[in-house]
Amino acid sequence: AAGVIQSPRHLIKEKRETATLKCYPIPRHDTVYWYQQGPGQDPQFLISFYEKMQSDKGSIPDRFSAQQFSDYHSELNMSSLELGDSALYFCASSLGNSGAHSYEQYFGPGTRLTVT
Amino acid sequence: AQSVTQLDSHVSVSEGTPVLLRCNYSSSYSPSLFWYVQHPNKGLQLLLKYTSAATLVKGINGFEAEFKKSETSFHLTKPSAHMSDAAEYFCVVSDPPPLMEYGNKLVFGAGTILRVKS
Repeated sequence: AAGVIQSPRHLIKEKRETATLKCYPIPRHDTVYWYQQGPGQDPQFLISFYEKMQSDKGSIPDRFSAQQFSDYHSELNMSSLELGDSALYFCASSLGNSGAHSYEQYFGPGTRLTVT
Repeated sequence: AQSVTQLDSHVSVSEGTPVLLRCNYSSSYSPSLFWYVQHPNKGLQLLLKYTSAATLVKGINGFEAEFKKSETSFHLTKPSAHMSDAAEYFCVVSDPPPLMEYGNKLVFGAGTILRVKS
């Protein structure tokens, strides 16, 4: 079965640079979530989108922005990168409004961002 | 806000012995609870979920968990550990509850690292 696809899998950037992470949800899933997992930490929710509109916002820095496109893929844009942004960034998708299997989030493999 | 507390940061068991990973939740209403597993340098895989149906939930790879409202617990168990079970396990609660129209962010516990000795 098709899974959540994230690209790139690894990314190395320097401080103050920008980065764009992409997420392709499972086909027919209409909700996308972004999570950040720092070294030795549990994943923290950043932001989510449902039907191309932001549905919830967590601890996402103002330097970050995200959107969901008409084909439901999502991009997380990160500017003025800091050393502390080094983390594993997960995207998850779900079918947000379909009864018994709603809200079960399927995670992608993650993008490992290293800021030097 | 919903939250979960994983009572053990590390658990070590011998292969073939039972596994118990403890989780307590805090919620002002009936929660949706999940267990996810993360193998080293891998993504997150859903083991099982509780969404107010049967209180004993069976998941993949022989894992199961029991929702106990009176104890606000959702402990993960497995009768016999296998070497391949060595990983980090996260107890997760969905916030807000799945009655709203939109998807719900997940709130993760701090994780329990399971070590399986041969």
